[in-house]
Amino acid sequence: LAKTTQPISMDSYEGQEVNITCSHNNIATNDYITWYQQFPSQGPRFIIQGYKTKVTNEVASLFIPADRKSSTLSLPRVSLSDTAVYYCLVGDTNTGGFKTIFGAGTRLFVKA
Amino acid sequence: EAQVTQNPRYLITVTGKKLTVTCSQNMNHEYMSWYRQDPGLGLRQIYYSMNVEVTDKGDVPEGYKVSRKEKRNFPLILESPSPNQTSLYFCASSGGNRQPQHFGDGTRLSIL
Repeated sequence: LAKTTQPISMDSYEGQEVNITCSHNNIATNDYITWYQQFPSQGPRFIIQGYKTKVTNEVASLFIPADRKSSTLSLPRVSLSDTAVYYCLVGDTNTGGFKTIFGAGTRLFVKA
Repeated sequence: EAQVTQNPRYLITVTGKKLTVTCSQNMNHEYMSWYRQDPGLGLRQIYYSMNVEVTDKGDVPEGYKVSRKEKRNFPLILESPSPNQTSLYFCASSGGNRQPQHFGDGTRLSIL
């Protein structure tokens, strides 16, 4: 499984766009990139997943360059309720079983 | 409503007293997993299961047992709990290859 590196923490203000970049230099051909959000004392919640280029859903966008060695989670117009820890994971449940490695995540703090 | 249910949510017990944390999912998912979360360490996988009667070790399996006799249930067993197993535990399930994980609300264990 590819190891991921993310910033430990980030600060932002309400209404701003936040971009969190994850580095995964050893990503394998079959690996997908998945982002989760976790609030204190709650289980992580799936945000978005992608393989290459750009993926967008109702809450976020995921940008993946051609070499796939990094990915960027983009949260448009954050609010106070987006204060949470964000985890980037890479892996392929098909070839790697269900073994999953969460890193320490990025703690996002949104200020008023 | 699709959910992963863990019980109990909170437990304070003493060293050496066997305990079981139950996990049940109603989504007919094949994959289930247990994690522990400690401050500064993110989530670490304890055990996972890819189907009934198929389980495998994650990163921190020592001191834990699991069983998967039915698809919906994946209990975590601590045969002889010790204080270093005091932690927040999460159960998760997934529908399969590259499907996101759905997490329970967590079980906070304190072992004195």
